[in-house]
Parts: sequence; structure tokens; C-alpha cells
Amino acid sequence: QSVLTQPPSASGTPGQRVTISCSGSSSNIESNYVYWFQQLPGTAPKLLIYRNNQRPSGVPDRFSGSKSGTSASLAISGLRSEDEADYYCATWDDSLSGRVFGGGTKLTVL
Amino acid sequence: EVQLVESGGALVQPGGSLRLSCAASGFTFSSYSMNWVRQAPGKGLEWVSYISSSSSSMYYADSVKGRFTISRDKAKNSLYLQMNSLRAEDTAVYYCARDSLAPSAFFDYWGQGTLVTVSS
Repeated sequence: QSVLTQPPSASGTPGQRVTISCSGSSSNIESNYVYWFQQLPGTAPKLLIYRNNQRPSGVPDRFSGSKSGTSASLAISGLRSEDEADYYCATWDDSLSGRVFGGGTKLTVL
Repeated sequence: EVQLVESGGALVQPGGSLRLSCAASGFTFSSYSMNWVRQAPGKGLEWVSYISSSSSSMYYADSVKGRFTISRDKAKNSLYLQMNSLRAEDTAVYYCARDSLAPSAFFDYWGQGTLVTVSS
């Protein structure tokens, strides 16, 4: 059971906008930065969003992050077939004194 | 180019020990904090351990506390994870991951991973 809760799956058609949620608590998301990672099949994860809504260089602006209270969201606009991957949120948890991941969301592009 | 290359994964019996290594290149290793993150087969990511750039701070997930030890060698540009009292539930691909400096961020670069299998 993950500290951060994500829907196990999400889907959309090419060109659509999809959002993936990440729900936590006052000891993690509400008081710390949220990060998002993309893991393509058979590869290592890749940093997608840092500090709630910042994109590393090279990450398309189709990807955006937001945070409100104890929840965060990743939005992907103009969905493309190559976006089909697992997506994970992560943050620091003050109660656990450690970093925590969400359970991951498998995105399918129909 | 930043590169992180893990090694040391193997098949080990329950109760056994293993030492993972992560060779870093393409950046000033001594300036960056580092982590180990694992992924059990078909499962999600789990953060395992963190070590600061100077080795002054170390953190562990509760699931490995008291059994795993993280360390680093500045001269060898290497990160290590000593794993003792291994259990079946420790079976996973283990990734080393760097934290970025400025702006600070978790896990900006990852290695390709090394597989640890704990089974009799």
C-alpha cells in the first residue's frame, strides 16, 4: 500500500488531454514538493516534473504539473502514442522521514 | 554526459548478503547526493536509501532499515548498497539515482538498474 495514491490506469486517444492524480496528506504532498516520473516499457524512470510544476530541459510543454493542498496532478495534452508509459508521483514524507512514491498509473493511448 | 552504471546484482539465498555498486561519470560525483530506488517485478517504484554529498546524512526506508547500508567513495566515483539479511521481498531491480543540485530536485538521472533475486 503506497503512501501516495494514484489511479492504477488511465487512457486517452491521440490529441486528447489526460490528467493523472496523486493524493497524499499533510505530512507529504501538502508540505513538500511533488515530482513526476515517466517510465517507458523496459526502461529506467525519467524525471518529468520537479518542484510541483517545473519541467527539466527537453521535456515537452505538453506535460504540466500542479498541486493543491494534499493532492497533485500531472496533465498531458496533445496525447501521443509515445506517451504510453507508467507514471509515478513522488515527494518527501515528514512523518516517515523518507521519500515516497505513488503506486503508479499505467497510461494507455487508445 | 551523466552516466550511472549499476552492477553487483545476482541470485542470492534468503538470509544472504550482496553489495551493489553504482559507477558515476560525467559529473562531479562528490557534489551530489545519491539514492537507491528499487522496483519489484511488475510492481511500482520504492525509494530505498539516500546519502548526502558529504556522507554526513543517510536515510533509509523502513523496509530496509537495519539491514541495508548506503555508502560512497569519492575517489572511485562510486555509490554502494550493502544488503544483509536478504528476504524474498527484496527481489527487485535496483536503480541508483542522482539528485540535482540547482535547482534541487529528486532523481534527475537514473542508471539502467541491476537485478537482485532472493530465492532458495
